[in-house]
Amino acid sequence: QKEVEQNSGPLSVPEGAIASLNCTYSDRVSQSFFWYRQYSGKSPELIMSIYSNGDKEDGRFTAQLNKASQYVSLLIRDSQPSDSATYLCAVRTSGGSNYKLTFGKGTLLTVNP
Amino acid sequence: EAGVTQSPTHLIKTRGQQVTLRCSPISGHTSVYWYQQALGLGLQFLLWYDEGEERNRGNFPPRFSGRQFPNYSSELNVNALELEDSALYLCASVQTMGRQPQHFGDGTRLSIL
Repeated sequence: QKEVEQNSGPLSVPEGAIASLNCTYSDRVSQSFFWYRQYSGKSPELIMSIYSNGDKEDGRFTAQLNKASQYVSLLIRDSQPSDSATYLCAVRTSGGSNYKLTFGKGTLLTVNP
Repeated sequence: EAGVTQSPTHLIKTRGQQVTLRCSPISGHTSVYWYQQALGLGLQFLLWYDEGEERNRGNFPPRFSGRQFPNYSSELNVNALELEDSALYLCASVQTMGRQPQHFGDGTRLSIL
């Protein structure tokens, strides 16, 4: 069973702090990794994609990928109350034409004013 | 560019009834995925359609079914509704080739009384 694991949280940080969200995956051949943000009662919204080892920055968000450790993380700098949401890690678990995303259960982030 | 559109937004049904949910993918996307998200739970993969064919299905009973039309839009049908079918049903689309992420519609909130 190919799995994606996340701490369910809740993760609580003060406004302006760095929030660090972590995800591990079991399928070593995974090639594509995504972070989605989901507000309560809403649909997931893509915020970051990462495909290569290292860091990828987009505004206040930085995704980090370490394929050797099967680990992907999301850092949110200068956290804002509007960042309070559930963050879903998603991993493409097979290559070729068998495109399937496996989602973690999500980490609930609360940013306190 | 229009995003993934789903209809209806909300539905209220009673046990034993049948329901049809609809999804139109982003233009150029040939794959459609359906997910169920019950309250407080993670995304559960339901069905994957690509080029009009069912490619994969999750661990759901046969009363969950669907189809994809030549224009790549899709329907999800649920027969003999049960109370535990109450959930947010999400549709996502993606280009089949490459490493692109899935993009989600706003979902259909189904309540079973």
